Amino acid sequence: DSGVTQTPKHLITATGQRVTLRCSPRSGDLSVYWYQQSLDQGLQFLIQYYNGEERAKGNILERFSAQQFPDLHSELNLSSLELGDSALYFCASYRGNYGYTFGSGTRLTVV
Amino acid sequence: GQQVMQIPQYQHVQEGEDFTTYCNSSTTLSNIQWYKQRPGGHPVFLIQLVKSGEVKKQKRLTFQFGEAKKNSSLHITATQTTDVGTYFCAGSGNAGNMLTFGGGTRLMVKP
Repeated sequence: DSGVTQTPKHLITATGQRVTLRCSPRSGDLSVYWYQQSLDQGLQFLIQYYNGEERAKGNILERFSAQQFPDLHSELNLSSLELGDSALYFCASYRGNYGYTFGSGTRLTVV
Repeated sequence: GQQVMQIPQYQHVQEGEDFTTYCNSSTTLSNIQWYKQRPGGHPVFLIQLVKSGEVKKQKRLTFQFGEAKKNSSLHITATQTTDVGTYFCAGSGNAGNMLTFGGGTRLMVKP
């Protein structure tokens, strides 16, 4: 257990639908980073939050949005889903010289 | 924007052979980190390099950061089957600690 919790582990949904992925960072970490990993691909940065505020945005589609709540958990909302959105979605929190700690990911399958 | 390229994409080795993966950034990095992702798993932090020309070792793994802080390498001596996985480098060029990941090198080890 890395200390970063992601739910659900698996999600199967139809095209056009909307889903919410949830992440709780490691205790004491204020930051949350969201990454997308498509099949056999690298990790694409989506968005970063720090203590409730958006800090950086990567290649995140307009159909995707995120927020971080006062208790520091974060949610990634994916809407109008397309087949190409099928991927692993990771969140991570950061603590100095110990790098990113990733959650176990949510595997999204759009059918 | 910042780009991080990693080669090779795949590498098959016989157990006991050495393995090296190379990472190049389009811009100067403040630090570079290395992660390992086992099949079906999530990326796990291995190490962070910060100083120009820095070399760090972890048992059979040797990590180097180039003098210009734009390239890095990971060398594994005498690979074992437990080394199987995808190795990612990730560079940070800003204070937000947002990482740009390379595409990864997938290492396969034949026993």
